[in-house]
Amino acid sequence: GQQLNQSPQSMFIQEGEDVSMNCTSSSIFNTWLWYKQDPGEGPVLLIALYKAGELTSNGRLTAQFGITRKDSFLNISASIPSDVGIYFCAGLFNSGNTPLVFGKGTRLSVIA
Amino acid sequence: DARVTQTPRHKVTEMGQEVTMRCQPILGHNTVFWYRQTMMQGLELLAYFRNRAPLDDSGMPKDRFSAEMPDATLATLKIQPSEPRDSAVYFCASGTPPGQLTDTQYFGPGTRLTVL
Repeated sequence: GQQLNQSPQSMFIQEGEDVSMNCTSSSIFNTWLWYKQDPGEGPVLLIALYKAGELTSNGRLTAQFGITRKDSFLNISASIPSDVGIYFCAGLFNSGNTPLVFGKGTRLSVIA
Repeated sequence: DARVTQTPRHKVTEMGQEVTMRCQPILGHNTVFWYRQTMMQGLELLAYFRNRAPLDDSGMPKDRFSAEMPDATLATLKIQPSEPRDSAVYFCASGTPPGQLTDTQYFGPGTRLTVL
């Protein structure tokens, strides 16, 4: 099945540093979602984006819906140890809640 | 705090055995998805339902997998007979009703299946 191109695959950063990851697609999406997955758990929704160009924040997290509707990025500022996990981007082609298309994830490690 | 619940959380079985996984979607969500996660393939759609009717199950091996929604509070995914290649984490997700401006999907904690 189709997947989004998510990068980087993994990151090792020092506590306090900022983090940036992104997703690109050859197709246009109507919705972009960013999830975080902790070991042994399901993905937890962090941020949802519904309009091209939209910039949305959730605490130290900021995400943007690209104006071409083919990309999105997620930034984490001032990383802390509990930010460790796998971050997934996901896109929806259509409204009406249809299946998500996922990126392969960015594995984030934070060194205290 | 509305959540998607899944049972069992872990299942170890032998090849050839039947496996049934259950999901309770968030109350009021009428779209239910089954996804499978593996290291190689990542997260993939198996099937999904809206208002208990199957809309797409093209991601499932039809000869051994079946998905049903006996009622609005229960979705099941069954594998019979199970094979080692079915070992994965199976997630259920429930989605906000269509027609809203804010399509979102919420995931359950998953069932980790190991087939020996």
